[in-house]
Amino acid sequence: DSGVTQTPKHLITATGQRVTLRCSPRSGDLSVYWYQQSLDQGLQFLIQYYNGEERAKGNILERFSAQQFPDLHSELNLSSLELGDSALYFCASSATSSRTGNEQFFGPGTRLTVL
Amino acid sequence: AQRVTQPEKLLSVFKGAPVELKCNYSYSGSPELFWYVQYSRQRLQLLLRHISRESIKGFTADLNKGETSFHLKKPFAQEEDSAMYYCALRDTDKLIFGTGTRLQVFP
Repeated sequence: DSGVTQTPKHLITATGQRVTLRCSPRSGDLSVYWYQQSLDQGLQFLIQYYNGEERAKGNILERFSAQQFPDLHSELNLSSLELGDSALYFCASSATSSRTGNEQFFGPGTRLTVL
Repeated sequence: AQRVTQPEKLLSVFKGAPVELKCNYSYSGSPELFWYVQYSRQRLQLLLRHISRESIKGFTADLNKGETSFHLKKPFAQEEDSAMYYCALRDTDKLIFGTGTRLQVFP
């Protein structure tokens, strides 16, 4: 599958813990985006990386951080987890950045449950 | 502020009926709008974008700058159209999504 992949599919953890979500973009895509989908907030943009560098930041909490590695995969780190962090976390990738018509391709998501 | 509004959480129609999923936006600039669809247990995928002016799976959407709308339409709904539909607005690098409309097409 040459599409966007995310691991793990499901994650169950306790409050106060830290987790890492992983995303591999489509082959050749340089941009990676992270979105959070929760019942009350809908789909919210968190952060974007382009070729290893942070490009844009959205409603991302200070407890959350991300990075993009030289092989272009990205990790989203969530720490001091709270019940409200339970959500579906999507990763998307695109070929370039800030370009009209540039489509974002989404991964299947990681469902995080904080107990 | 940049915003996308989808006023309907749920839209239920019978097969063969026309469908219109509403989307309104607020954006200071020239908007770039998309419709994404999420079928059950599948990932979010692009359905169409206004700059392409194309019809995908019978769906069309026209950007109306005067009414700041980008409604999604299909003249004859099919059962396989049942899914969540999200309207999205591109804001520099990120997408701003509406809250989504669940379309249910009954046989």
